[in-house]
Amino acid sequence: AIQMTQSPSSLSASVGDRVNITCRASQGIRNDLGWYQHKLGKAPELLIYAASILQSGVPSRFSGSGSGTDFTLTISGLQPEDFATYYCLQDYNYPRTFGGGTKVEIK
Amino acid sequence: QGQLVQSGAEVKKPGSSVRVSCKASGVTFNDRTFIWVRQAPGQGLEWMGGIISLFGTPNYAQKFVGRLTMTTDESTSTAYMELSSLTSEDTAMYYCARDASDSHYEAFDLWGLGTMVTVSS
Repeated sequence: AIQMTQSPSSLSASVGDRVNITCRASQGIRNDLGWYQHKLGKAPELLIYAASILQSGVPSRFSGSGSGTDFTLTISGLQPEDFATYYCLQDYNYPRTFGGGTKVEIK
Repeated sequence: QGQLVQSGAEVKKPGSSVRVSCKASGVTFNDRTFIWVRQAPGQGLEWMGGIISLFGTPNYAQKFVGRLTMTTDESTSTAYMELSSLTSEDTAMYYCARDASDSHYEAFDLWGLGTMVTVSS
């Protein structure tokens, strides 16, 4: 199975900060990757698919980049509602695998 | 607006099985990939398996092979997940999700609210 290594596992940031979260795949996965936001007690929400395509309705401060093995989710101008845990999910092959998650906390 | 409605919370004994349903409404059901994801207390999201409705052959994470069964019922637009030989380590919130994409990329934009499964003697 492809291993998805996400970093950092947690970070503290302030409102307005620019935040980068990375995912590294154990083998090349083209751009077959999605990013999800998960808040406690709620269902996960899709932010980005195909590594860089912003899901309809998601604020433009979220962006994704990368291909092959290295991917980045960027939040440009962190908002209070962005404090959550973020996960990458590869859909290159089966079994699909999530990264370990990045918890974004308020500084 | 579409939604996925999951069945209610379950409390199960070790060694038993649980079946969770996920009924789709307001969205295309056939020829869509449905996945099941779980989150154990204090842990991250874990992909359990996926199935394409109507075409049917499921794919499971290796750790669940032999005790996980995913099915779909196109007549009721419902996906099912059955997990057997439960242990306390299966205590988790279980989510279903539907792939909205018509391309080869997966984009799970519709999720159920989750079903809490507690395994306790």
